[in-house]
Amino acid sequence: GAGVSQTPSNKVTEKGKYVELRCDPISGHTALYWYRQSLGQGPEFLIYFQGTGAADDSGLPNDRFFAVRPEGSVSTLKIQRTERGDSAVYLCASSLSRDRGNNEQFFGPGTRLTVL
Amino acid sequence: GENVEQHPSTLSVQEGDSAVIKCTYSDSASNYFPWYKQELGKRPQLIIDIRSNVGEKKDQRIAVTLNKTAKHFSLHITETQPEDSAVYFCAASIRAAGNKLTFGGGTRVLVKP
Repeated sequence: GAGVSQTPSNKVTEKGKYVELRCDPISGHTALYWYRQSLGQGPEFLIYFQGTGAADDSGLPNDRFFAVRPEGSVSTLKIQRTERGDSAVYLCASSLSRDRGNNEQFFGPGTRLTVL
Repeated sequence: GENVEQHPSTLSVQEGDSAVIKCTYSDSASNYFPWYKQELGKRPQLIIDIRSNVGEKKDQRIAVTLNKTAKHFSLHITETQPEDSAVYFCAASIRAAGNKLTFGGGTRVLVKP
């Protein structure tokens, strides 16, 4: 079917507000990744799901960041008390399965978050 | 954790010439090395990848080489075309660690017609 989709494409919020960013992976992909890309830099890993569970959240910068994937498909990245330094493009990627040796990650178009 | 360094940060070439981008990684356990192309405002797209059991891989005008001993890998683009202009990122990952990608800082390639 379609590729990885993310909504919204752009989000402007005020400092201190709460935001949710959504990712729809490719159907059948069990692995889902969130990355953050600041201007002029490479993407940085945030969190990885295998199925419903967060297998590795070592990239989350602090406890204001949280992500869920309750049914093993759609994932939501949640940011509380946003700060100006959170402004970046948040990218989601999915892959077929780590365990099946298919490493290729397919990226979504990203959500550009701007915190004023 | 893994650290990936990428050079150069910018590369300008004449159409038809070759372009080479080099990356080094720190974790000897890394076993998967993809290269992504990202056009302005677009998503990263995989152009080629290589696994640690292979030393070289080629796909038309694009090739990647891997030297595990030295922990570096390179992207080679031959017969460059204006549509090759973009930012290129190398990355490394460890399958046992969930394949989370550690990216280099990117190389902005400009192909001049």
